[in-house]
Amino acid sequence: DTAVSQTPKYLVTQMGNDKSIKCEQNLGHDTMYWYKQDSKKFLKIMFSYNNKELIINETVPNRFSPKSPDKAHLNLHINSLELGDSAVYFCASSPNRGGGAFFGQGTRLTVV
Amino acid sequence: AQTVTQSQPEMSVQEAETVTLSCTYDTSENNYYLFWYKQPPSRQMILVIRQEAYKQQNATENRFSVNFQKAAKSFSLKISDSQLGDTAMYFCAFMKPGTALIFGKGTTLSVSS
Repeated sequence: DTAVSQTPKYLVTQMGNDKSIKCEQNLGHDTMYWYKQDSKKFLKIMFSYNNKELIINETVPNRFSPKSPDKAHLNLHINSLELGDSAVYFCASSPNRGGGAFFGQGTRLTVV
Repeated sequence: AQTVTQSQPEMSVQEAETVTLSCTYDTSENNYYLFWYKQPPSRQMILVIRQEAYKQQNATENRFSVNFQKAAKSFSLKISDSQLGDTAMYFCAFMKPGTALIFGKGTTLSVSS
């Protein structure tokens, strides 16, 4: 009965590969996010969807493409992985009016 | 653009003591929310406490309380009766309704026995 779950928890892959991270929330929230936490632990917003529509798209390489098939799911696909993409990626969801965000357990992506 | 600053990269405290983590932010908005998140070594992001800017009363959650000074744009977190399980990285965050959380760089808190 995990509120926000993302898979996989760990992902090790070679440069140049394409990979996806999946996220699902059962909180009934309308808004979902992808955040990136770098090696210095800094958290930065990448994308935000509200009811399947993209509303925030920060300066992120085109190799990153989010997809929201319905408001409970938000997946992240990454093409042509680079060493610099190594990080922890968090999915989160939020009620519309400032309730804060509830996070998944994170996916540690390591590109070798 | 909004910014969030946490000026204490690391802090340490003994069990049962009280510790205060600092956070300041910059915004021209009047309606917003502030949060403290805890990230233990397990890396899970846990919402500790939430404050609506339009509420003057400081939020409290058990041993956790905030000192919200809207005019000074300050939002500190006080942890009373510190426990070993409080050892974690703590992030202050700002959110305008309908947008995303903006985080500070975090404060690593170590609680020792």
